[in-house]
Amino acid sequence: GNSVTQMEGPVTLSEEAFLTINCTYTATGYPSLFWYVQYPGEGLQLLLKATKADDKGSNKGFEATYRKETTSFHLEKGSVQVSDSAVYFCALRSPTQGGSEKLVFGKGTKLTVNP
Amino acid sequence: DVKVTQSSRYLVKRTGEKVFLECVQDMDHENMFWYRQDPGLGLRLIYFSYDVKMKEKGDIPEGYSVSREKKERFSLILESASTNQTSMYLCASTLGWEAFFGQGTRLTVV
Repeated sequence: GNSVTQMEGPVTLSEEAFLTINCTYTATGYPSLFWYVQYPGEGLQLLLKATKADDKGSNKGFEATYRKETTSFHLEKGSVQVSDSAVYFCALRSPTQGGSEKLVFGKGTKLTVNP
Repeated sequence: DVKVTQSSRYLVKRTGEKVFLECVQDMDHENMFWYRQDPGLGLRLIYFSYDVKMKEKGDIPEGYSVSREKKERFSLILESASTNQTSMYLCASTLGWEAFFGQGTRLTVV
């Protein structure tokens, strides 16, 4: 089935540093790709998405480009803030045996940004 | 504002107890999901439901069952709780491509 592999953490950066979190996928066809973020004590929330090859998703200064050649969807931010400290999950949509769809998540990457 | 509400933030249960985790969404979504989140393992899908009374096993259904009698409510049932079911449980509902998550229930089985 479809799967996602993302860079293991934890990642610790200083404020205003550049962030990259790597994500690669294995899938049949070209599934929609997502980044979700989980702030401390909260559930996950959608950060950005891309639904087809070469799409760029962006939100809150974060960006990710759907690259079918390298089957990747790396998350980047040019200048991180302390408030970006969270766990980041790469995900994709995957068909199920029953004909519906589910979200498949990577293991998550914990980011800590120090002042 | 979309809302997925899980009935408890923290639960402590004894081994062998039958445990119910409740999740309610107010968005009229058809699809609802239960995941468990463990350090180093990420989110793993337990069960999901694509309509009332319809369900499908996820990747780790053993030891769990689910109930969806009404569209807005999706319950996860631990038939006989065991210590290896100590975890964070997350409920989600989806419409199209976006998933909305509850805040999670941290279950400890002693």
